[in-house]
Amino acid sequence: AQKVTQAQTEISVVEKEDVTLDCVYETRDTTYYLFWYKQPPSGELVFLIRRNSFDEQNEISGRYSWNFQKSTSSFNFTITASQVVDSAVYFCALSEDRDDKIIFGKGTRLHILP
Amino acid sequence: SAVISQKPSRDICQRGTSLTIQCQVDSQVTMMFWYRQQPGQSLTLIATANQGSEATYESGFVIDKFPISRPNLTFSTLTVSNMSPEDSSIYLCSVDKGRGSYEQYFGPGTRLTVT
Repeated sequence: AQKVTQAQTEISVVEKEDVTLDCVYETRDTTYYLFWYKQPPSGELVFLIRRNSFDEQNEISGRYSWNFQKSTSSFNFTITASQVVDSAVYFCALSEDRDDKIIFGKGTRLHILP
Repeated sequence: SAVISQKPSRDICQRGTSLTIQCQVDSQVTMMFWYRQQPGQSLTLIATANQGSEATYESGFVIDKFPISRPNLTFSTLTVSNMSPEDSSIYLCSVDKGRGSYEQYFGPGTRLTVT
């Protein structure tokens, strides 16, 4: 069965520090998709990235970067030079190719302290 | 991306009543999903709604409690029936842009409080 584990429940860092959010997944499928979503205090869910299982290339988007390693079933998310506006709950999620539903991890609440 | 709206944005309801939540998308989509997010928790999928067919419910969710309609490719409703305080949650609809995209976008959510 598919499963997403975000072991870090809550993280606090001081502004401008780098922070990495961990995500470990389980799936029996060879084709699957991994996601990261951000949920700021306002409550809306913001799509950040999707990665398919055939593409292990790491991705960088501004201060955000993602490290996908199939060997360890991990899809970690790093924020460089964090800012207060990065404070939010971040969800890692998984979708298997057999259907389109997304299974979410429990989320990591990130506090960026000024 | 897709622009998704939900109505109502929030509501306070009495135990035993029902509430219907509407989800409207600005473009035609094949698949729509309904999620529940209980306070301080992650998102849990309630059901998948495809136009022209019955919704598919996840384990722990039943049609009698959460009836869903999907009359066309841009609209869906979720009803929370016979509510109890345990139903107090944020209910979100989401859409998938279709196979090959796997980009799933979420509506702003409906914050439901049951007293």
